[in-house]
Amino acid sequence: AQSVTQPDIHITVSEGASLELRCNYSYGATPYLFWYVQSPGQGLQLLLKYFSGDTLVQGIKGFEAEFKRSQSSFNLRKPSVHWSDAAEYFCAVCIIGGKSTFGDGTTLTVKP
Amino acid sequence: DTEVTQTPKHLVMGMTNKKSLKCEQHMGHRAMYWYKQKAKKPPELMFVYSYEKLSINESVPSRFSPECPNSSLLNLHLHALQPEDSALYLCASSRLQDNNEQFFGPGTRLTVL
Repeated sequence: AQSVTQPDIHITVSEGASLELRCNYSYGATPYLFWYVQSPGQGLQLLLKYFSGDTLVQGIKGFEAEFKRSQSSFNLRKPSVHWSDAAEYFCAVCIIGGKSTFGDGTTLTVKP
Repeated sequence: DTEVTQTPKHLVMGMTNKKSLKCEQHMGHRAMYWYKQKAKKPPELMFVYSYEKLSINESVPSRFSPECPNSSLLNLHLHALQPEDSALYLCASSRLQDNNEQFFGPGTRLTVL
């Protein structure tokens, strides 16, 4: 069965600093990989996705993620964090025809 | 239109009430999903509809009854709920069940008294 691990429950960064959120997955083949963001009381918004091809993917709001097959990782990065980026971030994996599995999420706090 | 809408935004109900949650999308997506999300937890899949047919039921109690009347609408009928069913209920859709880039609605915040 597929699984997703987000090792960091909570991360605090200063506004303007760089950000990296970690995601590791477990699956026999390469699944589809996603990062979603959720503001309090809201639905999930897709930031970016990886299906195949270039392992560095660009998303919305200045986010990018790099797929590393050897490390089974799909880490999310942003070079300069804005206060509005404070939210919950979920990594998700999906196999073809299957269900999405979400990580437990990472809460991002941005200090002024 | 790239939006998934959900009504109502908030719902408070007693354990003997019957209520329904509604979800709508006009993106031509043929897969629609219901998730339950407790505070500080990831969404948990409840049901998947593909081409208006129930494709996945994640062993959800029968007090939750989904319905997909057409390709744009998804309902979740609620009856005899328990206080532990209080949660954010999220609807999502995707072009196909295999193409799992899901678009989420804002959710319905349900409180069961």
